[in-house]
Amino acid sequence: EIVLTQSPGTLSLSPGERATLSCRASQSVSSSYLAWYQQKPGQAPRLLIYGASSRATGIPDRFSGSGSGTDFTLTISRLEPEDFAVYYCQQYGSSPVTFGQGTKLEIK
Amino acid sequence: EVQLVESGGGLVQPGGSLRLSCAASGFTFSDHYMDWVRQAPGKGLEWVGRTRNKANSYTTEYAASVKGRFTISRDDSKNSLYLQMNSLKTEDTAVYYCARLGGGGMDVWGQGTTVTVSS
Repeated sequence: EIVLTQSPGTLSLSPGERATLSCRASQSVSSSYLAWYQQKPGQAPRLLIYGASSRATGIPDRFSGSGSGTDFTLTISRLEPEDFAVYYCQQYGSSPVTFGQGTKLEIK
Repeated sequence: EVQLVESGGGLVQPGGSLRLSCAASGFTFSDHYMDWVRQAPGKGLEWVGRTRNKANSYTTEYAASVKGRFTISRDDSKNSLYLQMNSLKTEDTAVYYCARLGGGGMDVWGQGTTVTVSS
């Protein structure tokens, strides 16, 4: 099983700042089958990024993903008030599918 | 509108059974792999399992934590996905989501249904 470790656990930033979230895998994620999701309280997760760097439909271009192998990054270039939420990475290249434990992005 | 709607959650005693349903609309359900994902109160996301499409023989996979107790099935004629949960444990308490696998990742999610296992 591929274990995904996200850091930091909590990130405190202000609107307008840049956010950098990390996801490290215990072994290489095949074909960059790495996705990022955003979840707000009481809501289902929303797909942001798939294939490590491709934005899902309707996702603003301030969200970007990068990385390969075992190290991946989600960057939000300029935080909007609606971006404060919990973010999860997920690998879907090998079974079982696994998620990271999440990074909470909170308003400073 | 592309939509998934779960139902069937509720309160059940340890050792009991429950069947969740997920109704799909707005897309060709039969083309897609479908997953179940759960989230225990205050915790992160946990993949439960998957059913592939007809072209891939409707094969299924399960997380180790539910294998042998949970069964995923689908009825393409009804655009519906199911999760049969047997021998439920208190640690199965969670919000259960169904999700569609798109070209990459889970691109459509239901709103979730809550399962509480308690005596």
